[in-house]
Amino acid sequence: SQELEQSPQSLIVQEGKNLTINCTSSKTLYGLYWYKQKYGEGLIFLMMLQKGGEEKSHEKITAKLDEKKQQSSLHITASQPSHAGIYLCGADRSGGYQKVTFGTGTKLQVIP
Amino acid sequence: EADIYQTPRYLVIGTGKKITLECSQTMGHDKMYWYQQDPGMELHLIHYSYGVNSTEKGDLSSESTVSRIRTEHFPLTLESARPSHTSQYLCASSDPLGRGRYEQYFGPGTRLTVT
Repeated sequence: SQELEQSPQSLIVQEGKNLTINCTSSKTLYGLYWYKQKYGEGLIFLMMLQKGGEEKSHEKITAKLDEKKQQSSLHITASQPSHAGIYLCGADRSGGYQKVTFGTGTKLQVIP
Repeated sequence: EADIYQTPRYLVIGTGKKITLECSQTMGHDKMYWYQQDPGMELHLIHYSYGVNSTEKGDLSSESTVSRIRTEHFPLTLESARPSHTSQYLCASSDPLGRGRYEQYFGPGTRLTVT
């Protein structure tokens, strides 16, 4: 079974709407990454969460790691077409050696 | 802005050919990685390196091989390409211990099609 499950798998929202993407782990998370990928391109780092209850924001994107450190959510406020892409969560299972296991991915489309 | 490059960006090649996918970074990062991405979005680690002359296989078994003779260069080779090798290949590097940053920097990817 997949270690990191993301939901929803795909999402279509109208511009200006808020949305949330979830990442659930079958194991305790010691470092959780969020990346964004534009179609056919490489990944862009968004943020990293390490502590239970931690919350980080960058522009209109906020990510949280729950207290039990087995789930993270990514929230986009007032979505824009530039937010479209694939969002991937990743977990470092190697104790800091950066061997990242990625989630199943969420494809986001934003309709103008 | 990350300085990690991959060539070619797109490659269409016939079955049985030998191919090498190039990956270079100018950031002096010790750690480098190769991922294979399915059309369904999932990324799977196929190779990684913690420094020169250090290479390890990743979580997903792959018929490809890698080498790390220089810090900045981490090429991936397929001795005999097959249609099952058709995929997107992403290279990444990181230097978490050097500057307190933990993210991986990704190249733009190589989309390989084997006919």
